[in-house]
Amino acid sequence: GENVEQHPSTLSVQEGDSAVIKCTYSDSASNYFPWYKQELGKGPQLIIDIRSNVGEKKDQRIAVTLNKTAKHFSLHITETQPEDSAVYFCAASIGGSQGNLIFGKGTKLSVKP
Amino acid sequence: EAQVTQNPRYLITVTGKKLTVTCSQNMNHEYMSWYRQDPGLGLRQIYYSMNVEVTDKGDVPEGYKVSRKEKRNFPLILESPSPNQTSLYFCASKYGLAAGELFFGEGSRLTVL
Repeated sequence: GENVEQHPSTLSVQEGDSAVIKCTYSDSASNYFPWYKQELGKGPQLIIDIRSNVGEKKDQRIAVTLNKTAKHFSLHITETQPEDSAVYFCAASIGGSQGNLIFGKGTKLSVKP
Repeated sequence: EAQVTQNPRYLITVTGKKLTVTCSQNMNHEYMSWYRQDPGLGLRQIYYSMNVEVTDKGDVPEGYKVSRKEKRNFPLILESPSPNQTSLYFCASKYGLAAGELFFGEGSRLTVL
């Protein structure tokens, strides 16, 4: 079946450093790639997404890059802050499934003050 | 306030005792879905619904039932819960049937003894 691999599973950085989380997907028909942030005790929340006709998208300290040829996409967080500490999930749309997503296993990001 | 509401948030039950987790959204979304979150496994889709009276299996549907009699509600039914259904459950909804932002509820933590 279709699959999304996410690495690393845990990531610890110092406040102010950058964090990068990488995902690969298997379905060549995937065309939508969102990233969700899950804070402790809450449901996941969309933080940024990218579609297959775009290579990069930025929103303040967060950016996502997509390499369709290699089936890779990455989340970049610059100038990390303690409130960035959370679990981050990448996801990819399942081709032909009318909007269903397959999620990566998540990355627990810890930002140390 | 736009939201997805799940109840109960926490439940401890025993094997075989039927239970229902309710999910309601106030955004007039067509698409609704249930996920379970387990450590190291990420978010896995149980069932989804494209509209009223239209439901379909996700990746892990065994042991679960759903119904979509009204657009706003999408209950998850465990007819005979077993300990391997101990998990954190999330309901989510989105507008339309194309790929787009999923809005998640706060989660329901279920323990089956």
